[in-house]
Amino acid sequence: DAKTTQPPSMDCAEGRAANLPCNHSTISGNEYVYWYRQIHSQGPQYIIHGLKNNETNEMASLIITEDRKSSTLILPHATLRDTAVYYCIVRVASIMEYGNKLVFGAGTILRVKS
Amino acid sequence: EPEVTQTPSHQVTQMGQEVILRCVPISNHLYFYWYRQILGQKVEFLVSFYNNEISEKSEIFDDQFSVERPDGSNFTLKIRSTKLEDSAMYFCASSHGLAGADTQYFGPGTRLTVL
Repeated sequence: DAKTTQPPSMDCAEGRAANLPCNHSTISGNEYVYWYRQIHSQGPQYIIHGLKNNETNEMASLIITEDRKSSTLILPHATLRDTAVYYCIVRVASIMEYGNKLVFGAGTILRVKS
Repeated sequence: EPEVTQTPSHQVTQMGQEVILRCVPISNHLYFYWYRQILGQKVEFLVSFYNNEISEKSEIFDDQFSVERPDGSNFTLKIRSTKLEDSAMYFCASSHGLAGADTQYFGPGTRLTVL
């Protein structure tokens, strides 16, 4: 699995958009970008994933650069409950050939402040 | 919305004792996983399980650990003789097993404290 680089921490004002960057310069063509978050010591929560195109769901948007070497997770209107550690993970698509574990880094601690 | 459940939420045990952590994966999922997180450290992969056998395991998953799917719904992690360093949060996850993007969904975790 390709390595990712994330800033260790970020602050965001409540109600504003939180933009969390991730570098994955060695990503391969068959690797997806996944985002999870972990609030306190709860189980990691899936947020969104993408391959090439930008993606949006009810939680967030994922913007992937054209060369796929970096991406940004956007929480459009951050709330205090979005305070968490956010993990950017790249992972091959095919389970059968390559295995299926997730490799977590240290992530980005996002602090949403009122 | 279906979710992964885990029991107990907190387990306290004495060093050397056996513990069994239980998980109920999402019902139509085919792949099952265990991860652990020692306090203040990263989430680490332990093992994945598919078609009633281990498909991948990490170096952490030594002979003291075993996994089982004893029936159609439960997935268990057994630690035969617990050590102090086994104290951690243990997370179960499951995924459908679709080709392409296959998203893992995590349970709330079991906090294991070994005294």
